Amino acid sequence: DIQMTQSPPSLSAFVGDRVTITCRASQSISNYLNWYQQKPGKAPKLLIYAASSLQSGVPSRFSGSGSGTDFTLTIRSLQPEDFATYYCQQSYSTPLLTFGGGTKVEIK
Amino acid sequence: QVQLVESGGGVVQPGRSLRLSCAASGFSFSTYGIHWVRQAPGKGLEWVAVISYDGSNKYYADSVKGRFTISRDNSKNTLYLQMNSLRPEDTAVYYCAKDRWAVVAATTYFDYWGQGTLVTVSS
Repeated sequence: DIQMTQSPPSLSAFVGDRVTITCRASQSISNYLNWYQQKPGKAPKLLIYAASSLQSGVPSRFSGSGSGTDFTLTIRSLQPEDFATYYCQQSYSTPLLTFGGGTKVEIK
Repeated sequence: QVQLVESGGGVVQPGRSLRLSCAASGFSFSTYGIHWVRQAPGKGLEWVAVISYDGSNKYYADSVKGRFTISRDNSKNTLYLQMNSLRPEDTAVYYCAKDRWAVVAATTYFDYWGQGTLVTVSS
């Protein structure tokens, strides 16, 4: 199975900060990497697919990069509505899909 | 608009069974694969199972293989998850999630999710 490791598990940031979340795969997954945002009590929401493609309707302050084993999700200028938990998910080993452990972004 | 509405959750004793449903609307249900994804209280997301658009292909996570069965009724726009031999570690919110494709592929992702239904396995 492909393991996905996110870091950090949590972080605190101010509104307006640039935030970077990292996701590492246990083997190369090309660019088959997606990012989701989940707010408390809500379902996850797709932000980024294929490592760097922005889902329709998602603000442009979100961006993704990476290939192979190392990926990043960047929030350019953190907004109050961005405080949430973020998950990466690999689809390389379809149909067996796996998620990272999540990164909780909190207000500083 | 796309809507997925789960139901059927509740409290069940270990070893018993439960069937979840996911009612879909706002898109051509019979054209897309659908997944079940679960989230234990305070924990991360875990993929559970997927079924292709016509029900001909089904795949399961090792943690549920042999105990859970995914199925669909395209005439009713409804997805199901039959859960047998339930264990305390199956306690979670269960989400249905739409695939972007008819059958899973490496370029797949979950583009729409339901609001989830809570399953609690406890004596």
